[in-house]
This record gives sequence, structure tokens and C-alpha cells, in this order.
Amino acid sequence: QITLKESGPTLVKPTQALTLTCTFSGFSLSTSGVGVGWVRQPPGKALEWLAVIYWDDDTRYSPSLKSRLTITKGTSRNQVVLTMSNMDPVDTATYYCTRIAATKSSDPFDVWGQGTMLTVSS
Amino acid sequence: EIVLTQSPATVSLSPGERVTLSCRASQSISNWLAWYQQKPGQAPRLLIYDASNRATGIPARFSGSGSGTDFTLTISSLEPEDFAVYYCQQRSDWYTFGQGTKLEIK
Repeated sequence: QITLKESGPTLVKPTQALTLTCTFSGFSLSTSGVGVGWVRQPPGKALEWLAVIYWDDDTRYSPSLKSRLTITKGTSRNQVVLTMSNMDPVDTATYYCTRIAATKSSDPFDVWGQGTMLTVSS
Repeated sequence: EIVLTQSPATVSLSPGERVTLSCRASQSISNWLAWYQQKPGQAPRLLIYDASNRATGIPARFSGSGSGTDFTLTISSLEPEDFAVYYCQQRSDWYTFGQGTKLEIK
């Protein structure tokens, strides 16, 4: 069974940095064609892709947020870490971790974590 | 940046009816399109990948079609559990989602 779970703070202050951890099981990020990504969703709004890291350590970022994001593999082999700098209230959202099946043409996000709600407020 | 435009924004139907949701890309994306279903308070669930392939465990009443710039998701006979928000997603040099279509009970 493949699972992913997000962890991190529920509240950060404006200008602070955010660190989110995705802990997964049931697959390996060393397997060719696998990626782990982050997607967020502000309350009542649409999904927004943020970043992805692939099995070969290649990384991609949303162009609009690229300067603020860093995605890395964690010290544990089953973790991926996302950092976002200079947080703002507009970054208030539910943040999801997903597995990406890059062996398929459309790179579908085939398994999702439950999401973690983050509020940015002073 | 490739923009995905979904239509309609909201559709109201009754169980048993057929529905077709549209997703249009601002430029050709071959078959690089997936569809997701999201219910309130839940994470999205993958329904369709590569435009027309059902994901594991997805009922046969869900089907996807299209290529290039125009794509559709069809639910042949709506079940009560199908009322949700549906998103399309593409990948080119990065990933984008459409703005979603809300399927509500009439």
C-alpha cells in the first residue's frame, strides 16, 4: 500500500520560512520514473502545483514561485522536504504531497497525502 | 505557460444522467492530460491519465477522450458519490491545473 503524509507547522508568521516534510511508504524514490511533488489549494480555490523532485534528483518548480521554493530528498530515504521562503498571508492553503508516475505520458499525480492546512498570519 | 480552461464552471444534474466536462489547453499538449476528482475535505483522486486511461479502481462509467487542445471527461450515468469538483492537469515543461468544474446535485 502506498501512502504519503505531510507534516509541518499549522501557523507561520509573515516573512518567516516554511518547512514541510512528506513521509512516504510503499514505494522508493530511487525507482526510475518516480517523482514526489507538492500541490497547494487555498480555501475554496483551485489546485496549484508547486514543485517536484524525481528519482534522478532532477527538480522542477512553478515559475511563479521558483525564487521562494526548494525541494530536496530528506535525510531519511522515504522523505521529501519543501521549503518556502518569505511567507505571506496569500500562502494560506492546504498543502498536499503527491507521488508522480513519470513513467506515463501525462505524469499523473497518482497517490496523494491527506494534506496539511497552513495559515500565514501575524 | 500553458493554460487549461475548464467548462462549465458549475453543472447541476440528477443521478442517472450523463455529463461531459470540457478542458481546453491554450496550446497542443498531445495526450499529456489527467483528470482528478475532489470531494469536500478530501485530497484529489486520480481518475484518468494520458487523456483516456482509467486509473486503478476507477469505475467504467468514467471515460476520457481528446488530444491536442480539446479534452473531455464523461460520466455515463451519475451516481450520488460522483458529485464533486473535477480538475484537469497537464504537463509540458511544468505542471498546471484547470480551475475546476463543480458537479452538483440538481
